[in-house]
Amino acid sequence: RKEVEQDPGPFNVPEGATVAFNCTYSNSASQSFFWYRQDCRKEPKLLMSVYSSGNEDGRFTAQLNRASQYISLLIRDSKLSDSATYLCVVNMGSGTYKYIFGTGTRLKVLA
Amino acid sequence: ETGVTQSPTHLIKTRGQQVTLRCSSQSGHNTVSWYQQALGQGPQFIFQYYREEENGRGNFPPRFSGLQFPNYSSELNVNALELDDSALYLCASRSTGGDTGELFFGEGSRLTVL
Repeated sequence: RKEVEQDPGPFNVPEGATVAFNCTYSNSASQSFFWYRQDCRKEPKLLMSVYSSGNEDGRFTAQLNRASQYISLLIRDSKLSDSATYLCVVNMGSGTYKYIFGTGTRLKVLA
Repeated sequence: ETGVTQSPTHLIKTRGQQVTLRCSSQSGHNTVSWYQQALGQGPQFIFQYYREEENGRGNFPPRFSGLQFPNYSSELNVNALELDDSALYLCASRSTGGDTGELFFGEGSRLTVL
């Protein structure tokens, strides 16, 4: 079983749609969780950290379910500019060196 | 931009050759890690350097080695290149002081092995 698993997609959605991605992780000791965005042939960039209480940043909402070991990302009112690959990232905790990336979920928002 | 710079941006090598990739970390960041990203995959952790010492390593063979310099810049060396080494190599820096956990990536070095 992979340490971090994501549905690779692609998810093709119309502008204005709401889309949700899930990610599961295998190590229950994981402490830090993130969503990164990666545009085609570019470097990954932090989209948002994921907190136990859930957090929202504009149209983006991230949730963490420790009991089931999954993380979710919800994008509301999708824009063409949201088209990218979304990477789920897990880290063992403060100061720990190893960040585990999922394979990424491709999103294409259609006009 | 992240302030992390990598060179070269693209290079082509043949099997058996050796390659050195370079990374300058963001100002104030003392930790540098390297990742390999094959096409269609997420980045895979190679190793991390903190204060010029390797302090973590992923599942990569010893022919992948690195260095960190006093100014926190870093090198990744790969010996005896294989076709499967073709990938995007990403350098990421972060600060362990007031650490938010965010990694700041460079634009990567795209290596093709023929």
